[in-house]
Amino acid sequence: GQQVMQIPQYQHVQEGEDFTTYCNSSTTLSNIQWYKQRPGGHPVFLIQLVKSGEVKKQKRLTFQFGEAKKNSSLHITATQTTDVGTYFCAGDAGGTSYGKLTFGQGTILTVHP
Amino acid sequence: DGGITQSPKYLFRKEGQNVTLSCEQNLNHDAMYWYRQDPGQGLRLIYYSQIVNDFQKGDIAEGYSVSREKKESFPLTVTSAQKNPTAFYLCASSTGRLRSDTQYFGPGTRLTVL
Repeated sequence: GQQVMQIPQYQHVQEGEDFTTYCNSSTTLSNIQWYKQRPGGHPVFLIQLVKSGEVKKQKRLTFQFGEAKKNSSLHITATQTTDVGTYFCAGDAGGTSYGKLTFGQGTILTVHP
Repeated sequence: DGGITQSPKYLFRKEGQNVTLSCEQNLNHDAMYWYRQDPGQGLRLIYYSQIVNDFQKGDIAEGYSVSREKKESFPLTVTSAQKNPTAFYLCASSTGRLRSDTQYFGPGTRLTVL
């Protein structure tokens, strides 16, 4: 079945440093989504990428979708303590299973003030 | 106030007992999902339903059962056959009508089996 791998599993940074998490799917995706889960909370949708090579920005967050639609990355510039949490990528294989997401293991981000 | 509700937030049960977790949404979404979250393993899909009275097994359905009798409700039963039921359970919903659908999550239920 489809697998989505995400690295690193943990990342500790000093406030102000940059952060990147990478996501790789075993199969070509229809779209990829990113979610953030704050400690003790539930996942909240951040963004969706659909097109090959797509790049989207949300303030200090930059999301990329690979040309082959099998990998993606999330980059945070100048981290803040509010960025703390677990970041998940989730792949949608499309076809008859559209809407069914396969989640990566997540990257737990800790930001030291 | 629209959204997804899960109850209770914390649940304790004795080993060998079945337990049912509640999930209700008033977003008028067709699709609903149940995930299990364990430390370091992300979210794993247990069951999902794309329409009322129909549901499919996800990746880890063994030891779980669901029903979808109403559009708003998708309860999950953790049976005694589930070997390691202690986990954080998340319910989600989506419109189910878009090819690029996004999911909205409830606050979760943390189940501890003693």
